[in-house]
Amino acid sequence: EPEVTQTPSHQVTQMGQEVILRCVPISNHLYFYWYRQILGQKVEFLVSFYNNEISEKSEIFDDQFSVERPDGSNFTLKIRSTKLEDSAMYFCASSEVGGRARLEQYFGPGTRLTVT
Amino acid sequence: GENVEQHPSTLSVQEGDSAVIKCTYSDSASNYFPWYKQELGKRPQLIIDIRSNVGEKKDQRIAVTLNKTAKHFSLHITETQPEDSAVYFCASETGNTPLVFGKGTRLSVIA
Repeated sequence: EPEVTQTPSHQVTQMGQEVILRCVPISNHLYFYWYRQILGQKVEFLVSFYNNEISEKSEIFDDQFSVERPDGSNFTLKIRSTKLEDSAMYFCASSEVGGRARLEQYFGPGTRLTVT
Repeated sequence: GENVEQHPSTLSVQEGDSAVIKCTYSDSASNYFPWYKQELGKRPQLIIDIRSNVGEKKDQRIAVTLNKTAKHFSLHITETQPEDSAVYFCASETGNTPLVFGKGTRLSVIA
């Protein structure tokens, strides 16, 4: 069964550094998402991406964040200047589009980002 | 915006008993309600979902019910097994807005 994949599984970085988290969505999916989950808390929406542009973004997704689909398979989340509070598990997800409705979202295994 | 409340935050049941987790939502335009299971250190996995044109959906030992009037939906797990132990998240969306998750319920099934 196709799955969303993410790399790396764990990233440690120093405060102020840039990080890029990578995702390969399921191949026939057209909607892509990034979520984050701070340890022990709920999953929080960051951004959705459709047709090569951001569809929605949350308040968390400020100017320090950006997303890109650099080629036909990868979907990336960049954090320009990491802060301690960016430490979290970052999940990528993807879904098909059925008519005008997005269908079920499938999550990747996550990247644990640790900012020191 | 949408607000999803989930209860209880923790739930312990004996193996073989049933478990019920409840969620309420605030946006009457919400029309899609998935449930995710997250085992420790792993990805959230979709286990069942329901759309607003359906009142109940069942898949083997799990079922979800939706009451649109009261704006609440529930996850029911029957004949619980130790491998059902995990954190369960409810979520909702309108189709034009992002998924909003509840805070999660940590289910422990005691053998």
